[in-house]
Amino acid sequence: GIQVEQSPPDLILQEGANSTLRCNFSDSVNNLQWFHQNPWGQLINLFYIPSGTKQNGRLSATTVATERYSLLYISSSQTTDSGVYFCAVEGFRGAQKLVFGQGTRLTINP
Amino acid sequence: SQTIHQWPATLVQPVGSPLSLECTVEGTSNPNLYWYRQAAGRGLQLLFYSVGIGQISSEVPQNLSASRPQDRQFILSSKKLLLSDSGFYLCAWKVGGEQYFGPGTRLTVT
Repeated sequence: GIQVEQSPPDLILQEGANSTLRCNFSDSVNNLQWFHQNPWGQLINLFYIPSGTKQNGRLSATTVATERYSLLYISSSQTTDSGVYFCAVEGFRGAQKLVFGQGTRLTINP
Repeated sequence: SQTIHQWPATLVQPVGSPLSLECTVEGTSNPNLYWYRQAAGRGLQLLFYSVGIGQISSEVPQNLSASRPQDRQFILSSKKLLLSDSGFYLCAWKVGGEQYFGPGTRLTVT
């Protein structure tokens, strides 16, 4: 099946810093989503981005489908950005199910 | 708008006891429904998914089962819980492209 790798696994930054999270996948996809899991476990949808670029406030994402990767950018980090960020993909042969990466744990220190 | 409900929010059960977790979706019809488990603080494992009433696909062989008795209801069950069943159980739904998660049930098997 399709493989999803996220990097880095852990990232510790000071408030105000910028960060880039990467997601590599092993096959063509028809769905790619980024999620933020907050400290209470809730998975928050950030982007639905099988291709192209989207922005939402301080967050933006880019997926280059032909090169099989996606990037999540967080600018001017705040402590509330802390948590685990997941990338998940659905391959064309994936039978309508998302495959998750192992996540990037982001810690923003004040 | 669509909402997804899961209950209970937390559950402590002894080894060998039965389990029933319920998930319902409001505001949509014929969704795909999913059960995930998060055992180690990161990484989501897909357990079951359903594309319609009575249609269940199992991803991981174990002592859990799932049922979909109604269009917007998805139930996760076990006849006898194991210690290894402890974890955070998340229900999700999808209509079209983007997938959304419920608030989760934190299960501790003692």
